[in-house]
Amino acid sequence: RKEVEQDPGPFNVPEGATVAFNCTYSNSASQSFFWYRQDCRKEPKLLMSVYSSGNEDGRFTAQLNRASQYISLLIRDSKLSDSATYLCVVNSRGSQGNLIFGKGTKLSVKP
Amino acid sequence: DTEVTQTPKHLVMGMTNKKSLKCEQHMGHRAMYWYKQKAKKPPELMFVYSYEKLSINESVPSRFSPECPNSSLLNLHLHALQPEDSALYLCASSQDPVGAGAKNIQYFGAGTRLSVL
Repeated sequence: RKEVEQDPGPFNVPEGATVAFNCTYSNSASQSFFWYRQDCRKEPKLLMSVYSSGNEDGRFTAQLNRASQYISLLIRDSKLSDSATYLCVVNSRGSQGNLIFGKGTKLSVKP
Repeated sequence: DTEVTQTPKHLVMGMTNKKSLKCEQHMGHRAMYWYKQKAKKPPELMFVYSYEKLSINESVPSRFSPECPNSSLLNLHLHALQPEDSALYLCASSQDPVGAGAKNIQYFGAGTRLSVL
């Protein structure tokens, strides 16, 4: 089983749609979880950290289910500018900062 | 300010050249990283510096040589590269290499796009 797995997509959605991405991780000792966004030919940028209690930032909601070892990202009211690749990222305590990246899920929001 | 600055933005080099990539951060972060990213792939970790000491080398070929002159700077020296080394090279930093939560959020520079001819 891959360490971090994501559906590569692409997800093609119309503006205003709600879209959800899921990610699973294999290491039960993982401690920190993030969603990064990467635009074409740009660097990854932190979208949000993911906490056990779930967290929301505007149109974005992240959830963590430790028992099932999955992380989700929900985007409401999609904008054209949300088009990007979304990377699920996991870090294990004591791993010397070794982030484990999923392969990314590509989102394309159409007018 | 969460800025990590990388230079140059683009680099074209021949297989016999020697060049260096530079990375700088002034956030007081104690961990710095080099990643390599090929098209349509996630970043791959190359090196980790923790408190200015090399703590992880992910079996990277010796033609890549990292250097951390001080806590704010990270270099990657390149020599005798191969065309397959062409990629986006990303530098990142985090407050703490092993802390949990916000302390190990990694902030990435814009990268150096390297082409080896």
